[in-house]
Amino acid sequence: GDSVTQTEGLVTLTKGLPVMLNCTYQTTYSPFLFWYVQHLNEAPKLLLKSSTDNKRTEHQGFYATLHKSSSSFHLQKSSVQLSDSALYFCALSPSSNTNKVVFGTGTRLQVLP
Amino acid sequence: DPKIIQKPKYLVAVTGSEKILICEQYLGHNAMYWYRQSAKKPLEFMFSYSYQKLMDNQTASSRFQPQSSKKNHLDLQITALKPDDSATYFCASSQDWGNTGQLYFGEGSKLTVL
Repeated sequence: GDSVTQTEGLVTLTKGLPVMLNCTYQTTYSPFLFWYVQHLNEAPKLLLKSSTDNKRTEHQGFYATLHKSSSSFHLQKSSVQLSDSALYFCALSPSSNTNKVVFGTGTRLQVLP
Repeated sequence: DPKIIQKPKYLVAVTGSEKILICEQYLGHNAMYWYRQSAKKPLEFMFSYSYQKLMDNQTASSRFQPQSSKKNHLDLQITALKPDDSATYFCASSQDWGNTGQLYFGEGSKLTVL
């Protein structure tokens, strides 16, 4: 079946440092990949999405590149801010006759002053 | 203003009882969903609806019954509640079903079963 793996449960960084949150996936289809961000006591919101191989997509200082050869869609930012502290979910939508978005377990990013 | 309204925001129930979680979306979307988030599991897909028709059901238990009285409503009835049902239940919507577009989430209903 389709699955998403996020290896880090918690990432703690000092503000101003770069960050990379890992995401790998498994699917037999040509998928859409997403990053959602959930701040404390809020709803998850879309941060990035991509279906194009080897093309970087950016939003709000975050960026990610879908690499189909390695089934990866890692999220990066060059300089984290305190307001980036949140739970980040990588998600997969198989390009098939379903709209069942599969989420990873999430990575909590904690940015310290 | 929230475009997807979920009620109640918090609820506590006793084992064996029944609860209904309410969801209304004002985005003009045609597809709606329920997801569950617990301490042990990520956002877990439960149901998807398109134009009030059930499209996907990933919930093994018949104790969970979605109900759609209007295109912009998708309630979730949970019967014979168990402590393991304790979770935050998120309603979501998208413009259409099957177009792999963006999901918009409500703020969730946090259910605690004692």
